[in-house]
Amino acid sequence: GENVEQHPSTLSVQEGDSAVIKCTYSDSASNYFPWYKQELGKRPQLIIDIRSNVGEKKDQRIAVTLNKTAKHFSLHITETQPEDSAVYFCAASISPYNNNDMRFGAGTRLTVKP
Amino acid sequence: NAGVTQTPKFQVLKTGQSMTLQCAQDMNHNSMYWYRQDPGMGLRLIYYSASEGTTDKGEVPNGYNVSRLNKREFSLRLESAAPSQTSVYFCASSEAGAGEKLFFGSGTQLSVL
Repeated sequence: GENVEQHPSTLSVQEGDSAVIKCTYSDSASNYFPWYKQELGKRPQLIIDIRSNVGEKKDQRIAVTLNKTAKHFSLHITETQPEDSAVYFCAASISPYNNNDMRFGAGTRLTVKP
Repeated sequence: NAGVTQTPKFQVLKTGQSMTLQCAQDMNHNSMYWYRQDPGMGLRLIYYSASEGTTDKGEVPNGYNVSRLNKREFSLRLESAAPSQTSVYFCASSEAGAGEKLFFGSGTQLSVL
């Protein structure tokens, strides 16, 4: 089955700096790659996603890039703010029918210091 | 529009006790899921239901059972709780089809002593 590895496990940046979180996946058939943000004590929420037919997607200060050849994708957060502090999870999914085969990375705890 | 609602928020069990976690969604989603979240391991799928009347095992189904009561409700049962089942449990739902956004409930923190 699919295996998703996520790095780093913790990341600390100064407010205003950029943050990058990287994930690799094992199954070349994976075609959907979402990122979820989980604030302390809260539920995970989707912040951005990308499909395999696209190399990059942006939404204001966040962007995701996908390298299908190398089987890795990354989350980029620019101009970080304290409210970006959270745990971020990447995921990869193969099935064309539903999310039952989606596999999550172990998570990255991002701390943005004011 | 409440989204995904799960109960209880916290539960402490003794080894061998049973309990049912309840989940309901009001978004008319076909697919529902139960995940567990453990430190350093991300979210792992326990069971899912692609549509009303169907359920299937996920990555870590041992020790659990589920019931898709109707389109809105999907419950998770621990028949004989074990300390290894201490975790945070999340219910989620999505539209049918791949690559659809997961909407999560607020989670249940379960401790098995």
